[in-house]
Amino acid sequence: VMTQTPLSSPVTLGQPASISCRSSQSLVHSDGNTYLSWLQQRPGQPIRLLIYKISNRFSGVPDRFSGSGAGTDFTLKISRVEAEDVGVYYCVQATQFPRTFGQGTTVEIK
Amino acid sequence: QVQLQQWGAGLLKPSETLSLICAVYGGSFSDYYWSWIRQSPVKGLEWIGEINHRGGTNFNPSLKSRVTMSVDKSKNQFSLKLTSVTAADTAIYYCAREIIAARGAFDYWGQGTLVTVSS
Repeated sequence: VMTQTPLSSPVTLGQPASISCRSSQSLVHSDGNTYLSWLQQRPGQPIRLLIYKISNRFSGVPDRFSGSGAGTDFTLKISRVEAEDVGVYYCVQATQFPRTFGQGTTVEIK
Repeated sequence: QVQLQQWGAGLLKPSETLSLICAVYGGSFSDYYWSWIRQSPVKGLEWIGEINHRGGTNFNPSLKSRVTMSVDKSKNQFSLKLTSVTAADTAIYYCAREIIAARGAFDYWGQGTLVTVSS
């Protein structure tokens, strides 16, 4: 089970935001990798991959997005929130079958 | 530029079979896993299963008895069938590409198909 907190994050433009994702089991795969990704869903936009394997930014993702963590606890940080960052953020684990997603965290502007 | 374009019936009656197709434009078809994921207000994002270019599959145990996936390499398409649908299967269904070397990296998504199950 993937548990995200908070479920809602009102943020002032230019300020940081942080989302936590906790797994009920370790996400370290037998191959040594940890398959934890972060996705963004903006209104009217396709779902977008932001981060994979904990901390790897996908192509084209601004460097204000960063991922960290290990084992069961992971964090997505936005260093300075911009208006285009409004949306819902999901963590997803792919270490085990079935793949499972967090409930989603809504980032909104105060 | 990679694009995933999906289509299928959007309104079904209980007990009918959901059938969706996803066409892949651009990029390699053989270097990825191809997934189906659905989203509903009740369950959020739910992984249905995946298939590779050889037809190898993995399914969510909660849906496994009702799911079939197939791949047509000649057309760069893959498909989903879900039998005996109920109202609980009402959701937006997405196809997505997953990087094999970075499992969970769903890097391209289809536009989504709203499937409603209602009598």
